[in-house]
Amino acid sequence: QSVLTQPPSVSASPGQRVTISCSGSSSNIGKNYVSWYQQLPGTAPKLLIYENYKRPSGIPDRFSGSKSGTSATLDITGLQTGDEADYYCGTWDGSLNVGMFGGGTKLTVL
Amino acid sequence: EVLLVETGGGLIQPGGSLRLSCAASGFTVSSDYVTWVRQAPGKGLEWVSFISIGGVTYYTDSVKGRFTISRDNSKNTLHLQLNSVRVEDTAMYYCARGRLAGSGFDYWGQGTLVTVSS
Repeated sequence: QSVLTQPPSVSASPGQRVTISCSGSSSNIGKNYVSWYQQLPGTAPKLLIYENYKRPSGIPDRFSGSKSGTSATLDITGLQTGDEADYYCGTWDGSLNVGMFGGGTKLTVL
Repeated sequence: EVLLVETGGGLIQPGGSLRLSCAASGFTVSSDYVTWVRQAPGKGLEWVSFISIGGVTYYTDSVKGRFTISRDNSKNTLHLQLNSVRVEDTAMYYCARGRLAGSGFDYWGQGTLVTVSS
């Protein structure tokens, strides 16, 4: 069971918007940056969002991130079938001195 | 161009040892952060170990005392020594540039599969 809590699955239709939440605590999300990763089947994860809301070059602005208190959110707008993947949040826990990921959220684009 | 290539995975019996390597190019491991992340079959990502620029090492609880992360600056390579392996260590092991305390992992290797089975 992960310390960071994500919904196991979300689904939406093409063109719609979906939100994936990541809930933690004051020692991890509350005090550290959150990053988000997309993992397509059979491939290595890919960085989508870093430092809570920043996008690496090449990541479309359909993907956005935010953080408030001990929770973070990944928003995906204009859903495409190619967005079907597993999504993970990650952060550092300053009390435990370990890194951690959420349990992952499987996105289905119906 | 940044590239990370993991090697060293394979089939190993419980209690055995294995050394994974992560050869880096396009950046210098001694002046950047590199982390090991693993993923058991059908499961989520698990942060395993990280070495800071200053050489301080960090481990997830389940591998403390069994795994050792190290750097070979002359070969620009990161290693993860796995000792006393358990069935639950079976996973794809990825190395990734960066750290979760900072800007996340911007480059990942393709992974190397470790299977622990008798």
